[in-house]
Amino acid sequence: DAGITQSPRHKVTETGTPVTLRCHQTENHRYMYWYRQDPGHGLRLIHYSYGVKDTDKGEVSDGYSVSRSKTEDFLLTLESATSSQTSVYFCATTDIGVGNTIYFGEGSWLTVV
Amino acid sequence: LAKTTQPISMDSYEGQEVNITCSHNNIATNDYITWYQQFPSQGPRFIIQGYKTKVTNEVASLFIPADRKSSTLSLPRVSLSDTAVYYCLVGAHGSSNTGKLIFGQGTTLQVKP
Repeated sequence: DAGITQSPRHKVTETGTPVTLRCHQTENHRYMYWYRQDPGHGLRLIHYSYGVKDTDKGEVSDGYSVSRSKTEDFLLTLESATSSQTSVYFCATTDIGVGNTIYFGEGSWLTVV
Repeated sequence: LAKTTQPISMDSYEGQEVNITCSHNNIATNDYITWYQQFPSQGPRFIIQGYKTKVTNEVASLFIPADRKSSTLSLPRVSLSDTAVYYCLVGAHGSSNTGKLIFGQGTTLQVKP
């Protein structure tokens, strides 16, 4: 398995507070992704990165921002958390090259109360 | 981006063969087809990948017709431990591709004793 570490793994926060989730990889993969998963919706792409300081929006990017200042780290920030952002967040990475597979982290459980 | 369509859920019994079909009508020439398995509270993990015809590994087979507009994941003799969500993903990571990867809703497979 690729070395992907998500932190924190579990967090409870209050509505209106900022929250940052971190994804750290040790594989030197070029691409990194943040997905959220909610019952009945599968995996939905929030933001992704195709290189240091190169990021783009996914399907459900409103209310989220990302940053990638180093190859190994991809940060997801909720500027002002809302209850609708209560979810499980998965980070994923893959490398350049046709046919490469994606590796997922173990998830971060976020509850906004 | 190739959109995928899968059945939302399937039921099976232990020992049976299960076939899950994914439709991807606008698959691009460079796109590979990859299937992932996800257990509750875990990140998805790679099962099998193919480009055309048939691919087999120790856990599954993947059938891809000549037009590549669909693919079928075949799980032989399923057991209770195969109960999971299965995702079909179509995409490629070439030098000219930004790597935006969109998952479908996945198929929830329930294996019964």
